[in-house]
Amino acid sequence: EAQVTQNPRYLITVTGKKLTVTCSQNMNHEYMSWYRQDPGLGLRQIYYSMNVEVTDKGDVPEGYKVSRKEKRNFPLILESPSPNQTSLYFCASSSGALNTEAFFGQGTRLTVV
Amino acid sequence: AQSVSQHNHHVILSEAASLELGCNYSYGGTVNLFWYVQYPGQHLQLLLKYFSGDPLVKGIKGFEAEFIKSKFSFNLRKPSVQWSDTAEYFCAVRTGAGSYQLTFGKGTKLSVIP
Repeated sequence: EAQVTQNPRYLITVTGKKLTVTCSQNMNHEYMSWYRQDPGLGLRQIYYSMNVEVTDKGDVPEGYKVSRKEKRNFPLILESPSPNQTSLYFCASSSGALNTEAFFGQGTRLTVV
Repeated sequence: AQSVSQHNHHVILSEAASLELGCNYSYGGTVNLFWYVQYPGQHLQLLLKYFSGDPLVKGIKGFEAEFIKSKFSFNLRKPSVQWSDTAEYFCAVRTGAGSYQLTFGKGTKLSVIP
């Protein structure tokens, strides 16, 4: 079954404690991206990757890092989380071309206290 | 950069009422258009998509959308809503320029009253 898998689904952490949210896809997609969803703001792109070892900033990259060492995985790293990063995070993947749809993970609800 | 505007933040309807949610985007070239739905506590699900061809697109659960190029619009419609349609709806656009980024509107929350 084609899917994008994120872990963990829920996470509560403290300010400053490094964390990683994993994302994996099984569709051999080249394009992967991370979004955060906040009430009234919709989904905003954090980072994206057009292929292995190719990553770039989206609209709200501050405070986040990503890596793309393998095609299937695209982890999101928060080196020093702060309360304003409390949000719902979604990973997405697609073939990266026009006329294709994106597939979304189940989401990770992060709370930073 | 492209942008997407959804006109209504919160829409409240009674069951069996007709629904139309507005979506406008700001890119003049080739676009892919999408509507996603997010039920309470769940992830995004694709309702329908437009790539090319017939501008009237039919999706799942009785939803449809019409692409009007001259108005840069892609409004979502449903003739008769049900309580189970209570959810948040997001319009999104992808263009052929640059990074193929999927840009979302801010969402419209739909509440259907039984």
